[in-house]
Amino acid sequence: QVQLVQSGAELKKPGASVKISCKTSGYTFTTYAIQWVRQAPEQRLEWLGWINGGNGKTKYSQKFQGRVTITRDTSASTAHMELSSLRSQDSAIYYCARTSLRYFDPAEDAFDIWGQGTLVTVSS
Amino acid sequence: SYELTQPPSVSVSPGQTASITCSGETLGNKYVSWYQQRPGQSPVLVIYEDRKRPSEIPARFSGSNSGNTATLTISGAQPIDEADYFCQAWDSRTTSVVFGGGTKLTVL
Repeated sequence: QVQLVQSGAELKKPGASVKISCKTSGYTFTTYAIQWVRQAPEQRLEWLGWINGGNGKTKYSQKFQGRVTITRDTSASTAHMELSSLRSQDSAIYYCARTSLRYFDPAEDAFDIWGQGTLVTVSS
Repeated sequence: SYELTQPPSVSVSPGQTASITCSGETLGNKYVSWYQQRPGQSPVLVIYEDRKRPSEIPARFSGSNSGNTATLTISGAQPIDEADYFCQAWDSRTTSVVFGGGTKLTVL
C-alpha cells in the first residue's frame, strides 16, 4: 500500500537548520508531488511548499521563502525538506503529504496520503 | 491573505447528524477538502473536491460547498468519529494552500 515514512524527531538549537526526509513506497514517485505542512501546538496547519516528484520543480510559501528548501532523490523515492535559521516558533510537527500532478499547481489538489509526522523542537 | 474560519467545537450524541462549517470569501468558487485528525495521529483525507469521498471513507461522511460556506456532514455520527476536522482550500490569488483552524467533534 501507499506509504510515506518520515525521519525521526529532531532537537535543534536556535539558528540551526533541520532536514527531514519522507521516504515513499507503493506508488511511482515521479508521478506525484510531495507537499510539506507543519502543525505547531494550538496552531492551525501551515503549508510550507511542494516538490514535483517528476521534474523537481518546487514552490514555496511566501512566509518561508528563503528559509525552506525542498529536494528529492528519485532513486530512493524520497523527498527532503530543510528549514534554516530555526527559532523557537518553528517547533512543530512537520508532515509530508502526497498530491497528484493533474493540476498545473499540485497544491490545488487534495493531500491524499500523509506521513506520520516528524517532531522538531527548537530550544537552547 | 485568504482565511478559512471554523467553529472551535461541535458536539452531538451518537446517531445524530454532525455538521461542521468552514467559511471564507467566495469559498463556493474553490474546491474544499476535509481532513480528520485523531489525537496523536496524522490527518486523513475524508472529503475532496467539495463532496467526493475516498473509497475507504464511510458513506456517512459527505460534503457540500456554496456561497461562502463549505459543510462537512457526518450522518449518524459514531464515537469513533471523535476527532479534529480541518478544511483546506487553494487560494488562486497567492497560489498557496490555506487551512481552517480546525473543529473538535465530540460524540457522546
